[in-house]
Amino acid sequence: GAVVSQHPSRVICKSGTSVKIECRSLDFQATTMFWYRQFPKKSLMLMATSNEGSKATYEQGVEKDKFLINHASLTLSTLTVTSAHPEDSSFYICSALGLGKTEAFFGQGTRLTVV
Amino acid sequence: KQEVTQIPAALSVPEGENLVLNCSFTDSAIYNLQWFRQDPGKGLTSLLLIQSSQREQTSGRLNASLDKSSGRSTLYIAASQPGDSATYLCAANTGNQFYFGTGTSLTVIP
Repeated sequence: GAVVSQHPSRVICKSGTSVKIECRSLDFQATTMFWYRQFPKKSLMLMATSNEGSKATYEQGVEKDKFLINHASLTLSTLTVTSAHPEDSSFYICSALGLGKTEAFFGQGTRLTVV
Repeated sequence: KQEVTQIPAALSVPEGENLVLNCSFTDSAIYNLQWFRQDPGKGLTSLLLIQSSQREQTSGRLNASLDKSSGRSTLYIAASQPGDSATYLCAANTGNQFYFGTGTSLTVIP
């Protein structure tokens, strides 16, 4: 299957700082990327959907000014958690969808801890 | 809005048993349904993808079935092994959006 690389896998940051998470499709062009958040022992919650070159569509209840998503190229999307707080600590996972494809491929996830 | 439910939430079986995980979805208008495996603290590993036109898919000891009209999918694991212990998630794709179930946590006891 196709490969989606997510970086970093773990990050610890101080409250008030911003953290950027990268999601790259290594061997295909991802026209659509999804960002999910997963709370302990819970399923994945879709945060936003981004299409290359356009603004991300955020799910209800997700603060777009806090979770900045950029999908500037067909192989890279970034999620920036701005002014992070301890309650933002979570597991974040991205997935990518190729043009005309219906199978999504997932990154390895990023464990964010805000202290 | 699509809702995906997985039963049971947790399952513990002795090694060697065959088992079935269930996934149900409320909106039958799906493109496909995908089964994933997630190990603790890790990302998702895709196991099987069933297109809406298909009835089942097989990979090794895994077999997934899909009944769109009734909104159900099952994942059958044959001859379970301790290495199969993980959380299994199903996801219904309704176009450009994937709806995930709450997962089944499987423990295979040696």
